Amino acid sequence: AQSVAQPEDQVNVAEGNPLTVKCTYSVSGNPYLFWYVQYPNRGLQFLLKYITGDNLVKGSYGFEAEFNKSQTSFHLKKPSALVSDSALYFCAVRVSNGYKLSFGAGTTVTVRA
Amino acid sequence: EAGVAQSPRYKIIEKRQSVAFWCNPISGHATLYWYQQILGQGPKLLIQFQNNGVVDDSQLPKDRFSAERLKGVDSTLKIQPAKLEDSAVYLCASSLGSSGVLQETQYFGPGTRLLVL
Repeated sequence: AQSVAQPEDQVNVAEGNPLTVKCTYSVSGNPYLFWYVQYPNRGLQFLLKYITGDNLVKGSYGFEAEFNKSQTSFHLKKPSALVSDSALYFCAVRVSNGYKLSFGAGTTVTVRA
Repeated sequence: EAGVAQSPRYKIIEKRQSVAFWCNPISGHATLYWYQQILGQGPKLLIQFQNNGVVDDSQLPKDRFSAERLKGVDSTLKIQPAKLEDSAVYLCASSLGSSGVLQETQYFGPGTRLLVL
């Protein structure tokens, strides 16, 4: 079985401060990890993914994520948050020998001006 | 490049009625997915197509839900009869469907918000 946990329902930060959204996973096999963002009344937008190789992955809109195999984590980060980053963020995992993409419950990010 | 299109965007029905959703994937994408997103939860895969064949429908409630992708392009998802707990956003996604499909990014449509009264 595969699963994803996003331990924080909400993250609040001030504009210009670093932003971190946490994600841990549980899989049997090699994981493929994804981050998506969802704005109100919109579909999910792809931010970045880890397939193999460098543990630090850079994605859209200045976001990056670090794959940590020993801690089974894939935290999303942004050095300086913007008010426009306020949205719902989802982490997802897929195993290398399976088809289903499993999503976490999501983390609501609020960036205050 | 046009994205994934879905219609309708919103639908309100009464329980025991039927409803259908339509999805047009990104041109050239062989793999199509339908997800159900209940408020406060992450999307849950209902069914995955590769061209017009079903790859995974293990989480589709087949007593009331059906989906088809007859010509390997557009797809429809139907619920008949609807229950109150079917109230959710139904998301369609597509990906290239190459030999590395498990690594592919899925691109999502805006979703159809269903309210069952």
